[in-house]
Amino acid sequence: DTAVSQTPKYLVTQMGNDKSIKCEQNLGHDTMYWYKQDSKKFLKIMFSYNNKELIINETVPNRFSPKSPDKAHLNLHINSLELGDSAVYFCASSQGPGEKLFFGSGTQLSVL
Amino acid sequence: RKEVEQDPGPFNVPEGATVAFNCTYSNSASQSFFWYRQDCRKEPKLLMSVYSSGNEDGRFTAQLNRASQYISLLIRDSKLSDSATYLCVGVRGQNFVFGPGTRLSVLP
Repeated sequence: DTAVSQTPKYLVTQMGNDKSIKCEQNLGHDTMYWYKQDSKKFLKIMFSYNNKELIINETVPNRFSPKSPDKAHLNLHINSLELGDSAVYFCASSQGPGEKLFFGSGTQLSVL
Repeated sequence: RKEVEQDPGPFNVPEGATVAFNCTYSNSASQSFFWYRQDCRKEPKLLMSVYSSGNEDGRFTAQLNRASQYISLLIRDSKLSDSATYLCVGVRGQNFVFGPGTRLSVLP
């Protein structure tokens, strides 16, 4: 029974397209996150939501828009994809600040 | 200065060896700390939390030195399966701040 699940696992698309990645957690956590891991393997926070409310937005281009319909879901929509968006995107959740962070298995996005 | 810094390695050690990683942090990412492990092409997984008094979990020992602002991870009796990237994590507000990771390869 997967705790944090995200889909799709792989996403290959052309520049300029719009795509979405979905994330769901069944841990009952209040806080969800999107992280980006680039080719240099650095994990960087993009967004965080607490109970459907945006609490972290770390200088991410406007083309990225998170949406949290309820506290168990945090989706990521990306408009006008660029080559530099190619990376692995991880969804994660935690019960709160300083609590353990649990990750989804990642979405490998390749923009051609 | 980055909030959380680590030596990227790689550390290549023989099976059975003891290996230690250090991680330094800035004041902004100092609420609490964790060590995560990431295997190639997989998601990071929690290895252990780091407590002020130091803590041990089997072959793994974590230490926190607030005066010098560093955290350490000691792995005893290394196994081939310990080969992975070890990520030091600090917390700033609601945000988990990840170090760049230290790559460990345990060789037969």
